[in-house]
Amino acid sequence: DAGITQSPRYKITETGRQVTLMCHQTWSHSYMFWYRQDLGHGLRLIYYSAAADITDKGEVPDGYVVSRSKTENFPLTLESATRSQTSVYFCASSEFPGTAVSYEQYFGPGTRLTVT
Amino acid sequence: ELKVEQNPLFLSMQEGKNYTIYCNYSTTSDRLYWYRQDPGKSLESLFVLLSNGAVKQEGRLMASLDTKARLSTLHITAAVHDLSATYFCAVDKRRGGGADGLTFGKGTHLIIQP
Repeated sequence: DAGITQSPRYKITETGRQVTLMCHQTWSHSYMFWYRQDLGHGLRLIYYSAAADITDKGEVPDGYVVSRSKTENFPLTLESATRSQTSVYFCASSEFPGTAVSYEQYFGPGTRLTVT
Repeated sequence: ELKVEQNPLFLSMQEGKNYTIYCNYSTTSDRLYWYRQDPGKSLESLFVLLSNGAVKQEGRLMASLDTKARLSTLHITAAVHDLSATYFCAVDKRRGGGADGLTFGKGTHLIIQP
């Protein structure tokens, strides 16, 4: 199906383990983003990418690693998971603002991650 | 540092009433977004406001942007139960081309009672 998908949708892992969350979009959007959502904090930007091989830190990047070798994929890796990384993670994508008709950011369905 | 503040954070209202959610932000921006989120679901885009004085309406929801006051409002007219959800405003501080990601408010949890 066209759109933006995330996998897994639910994940339980142990402290210290490495976890990778996947994000895939079929629109060939230039920009992709990772946010985390925690009660009382709203959504906070972790990392974003303007194009393949171009990434930049957001508000809360510590403990996370991203890569973007292909336009359509933007995986997020927790190198050594901690309990404070228990959260709901949303991936989003958008066309290049300023040249596109729409500035919309489209969000994936989310991954609920629990670190025990 | 860009800060986005919404108020109220919680709102319980009756069907048929009107109400307004406010979104203030701390630095100059010309892109303001409103999203809706239902429990356990993803974010659904409602409005993107791109210029001072922009006003957009969809059904019972109307959003406006005053970039000079750094204020956006989401007005609900004659509320119905189906509008119960959490509403977020978000701002992209980048101006012109490109994007820096969005800074979100904490959300307004809206409950509309029959």
